[in-house]
Amino acid sequence: SQQGEEDPQALSIQEGENATMNCSYKTSINNLQWYRQNSGRGLVHLILIRSNEREKHSGRLRVTLDTSKKSSSLLITASRAADTASYFCATVGTTSGTYKYIFGTGTRLKVLA
Amino acid sequence: GAGVSQSPSNKVTEKGKDVELRCDPISGHTALYWYRQRLGQGLEFLIYFQGNSAPDKSGLPSDRFSAERTGESVSTLTIQRTQQEDSAVYLCASSLAPGRETQYFGPGTRLLVL
Repeated sequence: SQQGEEDPQALSIQEGENATMNCSYKTSINNLQWYRQNSGRGLVHLILIRSNEREKHSGRLRVTLDTSKKSSSLLITASRAADTASYFCATVGTTSGTYKYIFGTGTRLKVLA
Repeated sequence: GAGVSQSPSNKVTEKGKDVELRCDPISGHTALYWYRQRLGQGLEFLIYFQGNSAPDKSGLPSDRFSAERTGESVSTLTIQRTQQEDSAVYLCASSLAPGRETQYFGPGTRLLVL
């Protein structure tokens, strides 16, 4: 079963506003990744943050990671209509020498022009 | 190729038939992953390959599902005796190495079992 939980499940904002999405997880991780998905097909990688990092930036994106709370957030600043998509967090951990990949349930973001 | 490719893009089959889905990863990527995504839901991890070996097959939903990889390149996901609940988009991804690197996704194969 999926362990990653994201909230909100859906978010609707006006163009120019900031959008914040949160991801919680249950197990220890090596890294956490955020992806965007348009139209239910292939995913596009946004940011990878390692377990020893607390914050990362990429353009209008800012990701934070709090391993003590087992949570991460993705902030999109100055949103655009083109940011409309589903956003997923994915955790990568290690169990018994093998990697475990767990995707969250996703946040559907709608940016209104 | 420049990215991960998957074939076919769409597949419609009848319940009980076998299907084979193909993934061509980015050249040089040692890790390859298969996921399933049902309509409106998140990604469900199925299996990953490190080279031609799959360290953990526990994510495969049932013994009707199998996957193999050859030449540290192309991979096939086979579903035998398909059921209607197998209808989903099957996504493949690859990365330079397992666990620590960004995954690059293909466009997926949309499977519909009638």
